[in-house]
Amino acid sequence: AQSVTQLGSHVSVSEGALVLLRCNYSSSVPPYLFWYVQYPNQGLQLLLKYTSAATLVKGINGFEAEFKKSETSFHLTKPSAHMSDAAEYFCAVSGGESSASKIIFGSGTRLSIRP
Amino acid sequence: EPEVTQTPSHQVTQMGQEVILRCVPISNHLYFYWYRQILGQKVEFLVSFYNNEISEKSEIFDDQFSVERPDGSNFTLKIRSTKLEDSAMYFCASSETWAFFGQGTRLTVV
Repeated sequence: AQSVTQLGSHVSVSEGALVLLRCNYSSSVPPYLFWYVQYPNQGLQLLLKYTSAATLVKGINGFEAEFKKSETSFHLTKPSAHMSDAAEYFCAVSGGESSASKIIFGSGTRLSIRP
Repeated sequence: EPEVTQTPSHQVTQMGQEVILRCVPISNHLYFYWYRQILGQKVEFLVSFYNNEISEKSEIFDDQFSVERPDGSNFTLKIRSTKLEDSAMYFCASSETWAFFGQGTRLTVV
């Protein structure tokens, strides 16, 4: 079984500051891990994914995440926040190479950017 | 880039009515899913579908819900008798190795 815990339902940073959104996972099999972004009244956009290759994954819009098996973490970072990054971010996990494995989402973190 | 297409983007229906939400998955994908997101809440798994049958379903997916692939391309979610609490964004996804999501259908039950 898989699960995801996102620490912090709301994160607020200043424009230009580091963005760090925390995600810890639990999985009984080697996981695939994902970060999705959701802008208001829109769908889910895939930011990046970890699928057992490089542990540091680079995604769109300058975001990246590092898979740390020892810490069961997959935190999302961006060196310098932009106003357009304000959105809801979801960490998600699936059961790796089992193609039929459903994706389980975390409860989401709302990112606000202060001018 | 291939994408999952959902129609309609927004549907308003009266309580007790039947609704069908439609999805066109990516053509070479074999695994299909429906998810639900109640306003302001997390995205919840409803059901997965493979080889023309349900492979897994959540406790949310009760007898009011059904899925089918009527013509080999579309993948539909039917809610037989809608309730107010069915109001949510419904996302379809298809998968080969990982899931691609559609833009969602916002269902409003009044």
